[in-house]
Amino acid sequence: KQEVTQIPAALSVPEGENLVLNCSFTDSAIYNLQWFRQDPGKGLTSLLLIQSSQREQTSGRLNASLDKSSGRSTLYIAASQPGDSATYLCASVNFNKFYFGSGTKLNVKP
Amino acid sequence: NAGVTQTPKFQVLKTGQSMTLQCAQDMNHNSMYWYRQDPGMGLRLIYYSASEGTTDKGEVPNGYNVSRLNKREFSLRLESAAPSQTSVYFCASSELALNTGELFFGEGSRLTVL
Repeated sequence: KQEVTQIPAALSVPEGENLVLNCSFTDSAIYNLQWFRQDPGKGLTSLLLIQSSQREQTSGRLNASLDKSSGRSTLYIAASQPGDSATYLCASVNFNKFYFGSGTKLNVKP
Repeated sequence: NAGVTQTPKFQVLKTGQSMTLQCAQDMNHNSMYWYRQDPGMGLRLIYYSASEGTTDKGEVPNGYNVSRLNKREFSLRLESAAPSQTSVYFCASSELALNTGELFFGEGSRLTVL
């Protein structure tokens, strides 16, 4: 069974810093990997999706990379802002099932 | 574009009562899912439906039943609610076979069982 791990569980940074969130998975036979954002009391919003044949995807200040051979994905956030404060989750798709990490709770201090 | 719509958003039940959570998606996706999210436990799959007419158990199916009413709708039923079923429930949909497989979530249904 796929296991997805996100470390650290929580991260606090000052506004303006560039930061990297990590996601690791045990089975490299993934269909895709997706990053989500969840605000308190809200649902999950899709940020970026990387298909298994791709190495990275970019959207604005966000860049997600995928290295299947090492079982890792990273989400890079440039010039962080207080509005980026949320919980970030990654999920891999293996054999038609989604496997979620437990998330990294990000706090960007003004 | 509504995406995935869940009802109700909030519900309080007494132990032993029954209720149904409704979910509908307008993206013509084949696959639909029900998850529960609890503090410290992350997202756990309750049931899923890979296509219209099929349903399968996930990690935590006990105490729940589902119905894939048609391609758009996937409901989750609690027959006899228990306090352990207090949680936030999320419905999601995806199209793995014909598309990128991006997963879309509803806003969640917050259930309290007293």
